[in-house]
Amino acid sequence: GIQVEQSPPDLILQEGANSTLRCNFSDSVNNLQWFHQNPWGQLINLFYIPSGTKQNGRLSATTVATERYSLLYISSSQTTDSGVYFCAVDPDFGNEKLTFGTGTRLTIIP
Amino acid sequence: KAGVTQTPRYLIKTRGQQVTLSCSPISGHRSVSWYQQTPGQGLQFLFEYFSETQRNKGNFPGRFSGRQFSNSRSEMNVSTLELGDSALYLCASSSSPNYGYTFGSGTRLTVV
Repeated sequence: GIQVEQSPPDLILQEGANSTLRCNFSDSVNNLQWFHQNPWGQLINLFYIPSGTKQNGRLSATTVATERYSLLYISSSQTTDSGVYFCAVDPDFGNEKLTFGTGTRLTIIP
Repeated sequence: KAGVTQTPRYLIKTRGQQVTLSCSPISGHRSVSWYQQTPGQGLQFLFEYFSETQRNKGNFPGRFSGRQFSNSRSEMNVSTLELGDSALYLCASSSSPNYGYTFGSGTRLTVV
């Protein structure tokens, strides 16, 4: 099956810093989403971005489908940005299910 | 618009028992999928239902089953619980895969 790798696995930053999270996937996809898992376990949808670039406030994401990677940018980090960020993809052959990466644990220090 | 609702939020069961978890999707969403999250295995796909039909199933034993009702609400059942079934179970709904998936808050199951 499709492989999804996220890097770095852990990231510790001071409040106000910028960060870039990466997601590599091994095959073509028809869906790619970025999620933030809050302390209570809920996966909060950040972006649906199978290709192109999107921005939402301090967050933006870019997916280069032809090169099989996606980037999540977080600018001016706040302590509320702490948590685990997951990339998930839906393989491009009709099976409608998400395959998740192992996540990046982001810790923002005040 | 109400989000995806999962009940109960927390559950403690004894090994060998069975458990049923419930998921109500966003109104109008016909696809419901289930995922298991554990520290060791991460997030893994269990199964997906669309219009009361199971369309996909992940690599889990037959003790894990599910169903979807005509109102799109879904339940998953785990029989003969094992300690390793302790996990966060997440449900997601979608109107179409082209619009992505929205997740509920999850049910945290502890098997003792």
